[in-house]
Amino acid sequence: GDSVTQMEGPVTLSEEAFLTINCTYTATGYPSLFWYVQYPGEGLQLLLKATKADDKGSNKGFEATYRKETTSFHLEKGSVQVSDSAVYFCALSGGTSYGKLTFGQGTILTVHP
Amino acid sequence: GAVVSQHPSRVICKSGTSVKIECRSLDFQATTMFWYRQFPKQSLMLMATSNEGSKATYEQGVEKDKFLINHASLTLSTLTVTSAHPEDSSFYICSARGGERGISYEQYFGPGTRLTVT
Repeated sequence: GDSVTQMEGPVTLSEEAFLTINCTYTATGYPSLFWYVQYPGEGLQLLLKATKADDKGSNKGFEATYRKETTSFHLEKGSVQVSDSAVYFCALSGGTSYGKLTFGQGTILTVHP
Repeated sequence: GAVVSQHPSRVICKSGTSVKIECRSLDFQATTMFWYRQFPKQSLMLMATSNEGSKATYEQGVEKDKFLINHASLTLSTLTVTSAHPEDSSFYICSARGGERGISYEQYFGPGTRLTVT
């Protein structure tokens, strides 16, 4: 079946540091890939998505590129802010689980001033 | 954007009792709703998918008699944990999706419900 693997956290950075959170996936077919963010006390929000190979999703300074050859969708941001502190989830839809989301384990990010 | 609410946000109940959690789409019609369970420091595990007016489809290993799901209207789905036990303590999250069934539109997530069974 489909699966998503994220780098283990927690990740702690200073403000304005560069962020990378690795995500790799296993799926048949051509899944869509997503990054969700969960701020403290809130529900998950879609951060960005990519629906086909080589697509780049971007939002709020975050970027991720759908790499089919390496089955990866790493999340990056050039300069993080304290307000980016949250839990980040990589997810896929499609493959063998059309319409359903398969999540990675989540990565806790803490950004210090 | 689309808003999904859950009620209650926290609930504590005694072992053996039943608890109902509501999930509502506030500004759109949700043809499909999903129920997830999240353990501490772990990912979201899909429990079941419910389409309005139909029986829910449960994921493998999820007891359908224990976790009763009802999706009676286009804006409301409920999850009832029957005869709850301490091992049912968890964070339950719902999501809702509009549009036509079978088409992969974006899911909107509720804030979650923390269930503690004593």
